Amino acid sequence: EIVLTQSPGTLSLSRGERATLSCRASQSVRSNYLAWYQQKPGQAPRLLIYNASSRGTGIPDRFSGSGSGTDFSLTISRLEPEDFAVYYCQQYGSSPLTFGGGTKVEIK
Amino acid sequence: QAQLVESGGGLVRPGGALRLSCAASGFTFRNSYMSWVRQAPGKGLECVAYISDTGSRRYYADSVKDRFTISRDNDNESVYLHMSSLRAEDTAVYYCTRAPFRVVGPFFDKWGQGTLVAVSS
Repeated sequence: EIVLTQSPGTLSLSRGERATLSCRASQSVRSNYLAWYQQKPGQAPRLLIYNASSRGTGIPDRFSGSGSGTDFSLTISRLEPEDFAVYYCQQYGSSPLTFGGGTKVEIK
Repeated sequence: QAQLVESGGGLVRPGGALRLSCAASGFTFRNSYMSWVRQAPGKGLECVAYISDTGSRRYYADSVKDRFTISRDNDNESVYLHMSSLRAEDTAVYYCTRAPFRVVGPFFDKWGQGTLVAVSS
């Protein structure tokens, strides 16, 4: 089973700042099959990024994904108020599917 | 636009059974893999099951294998999760998702609002 470790656990930033979230896999992720999701309190998760760097439908271009192999990142170029949330990574290159434990982006 | 609406959650005693339903609309359901992803209170995400477009392929997480069954009805554009031998650790919000499949497994691009299953005596 591939274990995904997200860091940091919490990121405290101000509006307009750049956020960089990390997702490290215990083994190489086949074909970079890695996705990122955003979840706000009381809401379902929303797909942001799939295949490590492709944005989901309707996702603003301030969200970008990068990385390969075992190291992946999600970058939010300029934080907007609606971006303060929890972010999860997920790999779908190996069975079983696994999620990371999440990074909370909070207002500083 | 794609919409997924879950129903069937509730309070059930340990050892009991429950069936969740998910009604889909706004996309070509019969061509889509579908899944159930759960989230225990204050915890992360876990894909418990997914099913192929024809229903011929099904995946279960080890934590629910032999207790949960996923099925679908393409004519009625619905997917189901039958849960039996429920345990306290199955308490979670259960999300129905569309699950684009890639070689080995899917990611989840559309989500319902979720339905809460609480297992308690």
